[in-house]
Parts: sequence; C-alpha cells; structure tokens
Amino acid sequence: DSGVTQTPKHLITATGQRVTLRCSPRSGDLSVYWYQQSLDQGLQFLIQYYNGEERAKGNILERFSAQQFPDLHSELNLSSLELGDSALYFCASSVAGVESGNTIYFGEGSWLTVV
Amino acid sequence: AQSVTQLDSQVPVFEEAPVELRCNYSSSVSVYLFWYVQYPNQGLQLLLKYLSGSTLVKGINGFEAEFNKSQTSFHLRKPSVHISDTAEYFCAVSGNYGQNFVFGPGTRLSVLP
Repeated sequence: DSGVTQTPKHLITATGQRVTLRCSPRSGDLSVYWYQQSLDQGLQFLIQYYNGEERAKGNILERFSAQQFPDLHSELNLSSLELGDSALYFCASSVAGVESGNTIYFGEGSWLTVV
Repeated sequence: AQSVTQLDSQVPVFEEAPVELRCNYSSSVSVYLFWYVQYPNQGLQLLLKYLSGSTLVKGINGFEAEFNKSQTSFHLRKPSVHISDTAEYFCAVSGNYGQNFVFGPGTRLSVLP
C-alpha cells in the first residue's frame, strides 16, 4: 500500500458526460501528479500540483482540468468524454517536487470506461 | 528535454534464468533514474532509484541496476527470475531543473515455467 488513495476504482460512463476522479496523497506529501495510462499511448503525464498551485503541465487536454484543495487532496475533472478517453488514470504524490530525486508514489488507479 | 527509451517491449524468459531489461535516457543535465514495476491491475511500485554515488543500485525483490553515464543507460537486472516477477517494468528519469518525471514505454516481462 503506497498510501495514495484514489476513488472511484472503476467508472463506466457515456460519451459526452463529465466525471470527477479523486485522489488523497500520502500523509505529508505536498505534490500531486496525474497520469493517464492507455494501451496505445503508454503512461502520459497530465499535470502536477504543489501545495495547491499548478506546477507543471503535460499532455492534458483542454476538456480536462484538475485542482488541489487546501487539505491537499486533488480532483481530476474530465468533461465531454470521448471513447478515446477510456484509460487508467493514476494519481501519484511526493513530498515536494521531483527535484533532488524525490520518489513519486502511485495510487491503484481509476479505470474509466467511456461507452 | 528528457526522454527515455526501453528498446524491448516484451521479454519472455524461463523461470530461474537471468534477465536484463534495457533503459536508455537522453538529457542535457544531471538526472535521477528510477525503475518502477506494475503488477496486473495494480499501480506502479518503486523498485529502485539512482540519485548519486555508487553506480550499482540494489532494489527490492532481488533486482539491481547499473547507471552508465557514458552510455546514458540504466539497465535493470536480476540473476534468477520467478514466476511472480511477471509484470510491466518502467524506467523513468527526473531532474533538478523543473523537469518532471518522464517514463519510458515499458517492458513486459513474462516469466515462463
């Protein structure tokens, strides 16, 4: 158990809908990262938050957004869903950023299926 | 920009045989290197990491990796694999200058009885 908690574990929704994925980082970790894992694209970095502020942005679509709340949990919002958004979405956390070789710890992921 | 290459997408190997999973990276600055393992239907788990110092790094489950700066490689090795090592293995790189974690495409290790 990495200490990173993600909910829901599985989600099935229709195209055009909007979903919210939730992540609680490890106790004491200030950074939260979101990754998307699909068969054709591998593990893609979406976005990072540090202590409530956006720190880095990767290949995140405009239909997707995220935020980190004062209690440090984070939510990833996916809207106008398309079939191609079906993937495993991981949240990860670290004490600070990735500088100094900080390890990032992954949650179990949220499986999103868009039908 | 950093990038990671894992040349082997799949590696089948018989139980108790040795295995090497290859990882090469490109970066213009000093890097930190990681290997993660993903078992079926689970998240990624850290196997080992290289920050500095000795180029041979030992990790969990009997795995080790060697950092080679001249060849920009960080290959993962295990002298004798078990069925339970069947999983996807990801090499990753990070740095000190705002770069985020960059993962390779992964290598699927299949240990055969």
